[in-house]
Amino acid sequence: DAKTTQPNSMESNEEEPVHLPCNHSTISGTDYIHWYRQLPSQGPEYVIHGLTSNVNNRMASLAIAEDRKSSTLILHRATLRDAAVYYCILRESTSGTYKYIFGTGTRLKVLA
Amino acid sequence: DTEVTQTPKHLVMGMTNKKSLKCEQHMGHRAMYWYKQKAKKPPELMFVYSYEKLSINESVPSRFSPECPNSSLLNLHLHALQPEDSALYLCASSQDAGTGLWEQYFGPGTRLTVT
Repeated sequence: DAKTTQPNSMESNEEEPVHLPCNHSTISGTDYIHWYRQLPSQGPEYVIHGLTSNVNNRMASLAIAEDRKSSTLILHRATLRDAAVYYCILRESTSGTYKYIFGTGTRLKVLA
Repeated sequence: DTEVTQTPKHLVMGMTNKKSLKCEQHMGHRAMYWYKQKAKKPPELMFVYSYEKLSINESVPSRFSPECPNSSLLNLHLHALQPEDSALYLCASSQDAGTGLWEQYFGPGTRLTVT
């Protein structure tokens, strides 16, 4: 099974950048790396995804290692609202239907 | 409208009760998902429906019975549950499940307590 490993928790000061790492050493060549986050008392929400190149959107950036065995989610300026559990996810196919395999997640605490 | 709604928000049921969880989306998505999430753990996939047909059942006990009456609705029927089934049940939807590249939209969940 494709698996991801993440640190259990991280802290950041408000308005500073945050780098959230993820290891996925068993990733296959066609697997995209997805990131979702789960704010307190809410369902997960999409953050970003990518295959090989670094990706940017309005929420974050995703830096993918050249060998694709690791990636880093970058929040450029953390706010209090960014305090959440961040999940690094790989997809897996069962008979042509894809599903997400969630990592254990990193709980991000943002300090005012 | 990018909202997935789930009802009820909270449910307490006894081990002999029968209850149902409901999920609805109006985004025209053709894939819908049920996840179970225990406290301080990541969501675990239970079922995937693709075009209203059950595509994935992650070896879920038969006391959980999913149903997809139409492309907008997803139910999870519960019967004879155990206290260890207490968890947050999350519903999600996506454009389809054929590539795994479409964003999944999650509902807020139903917090279930089995007494």
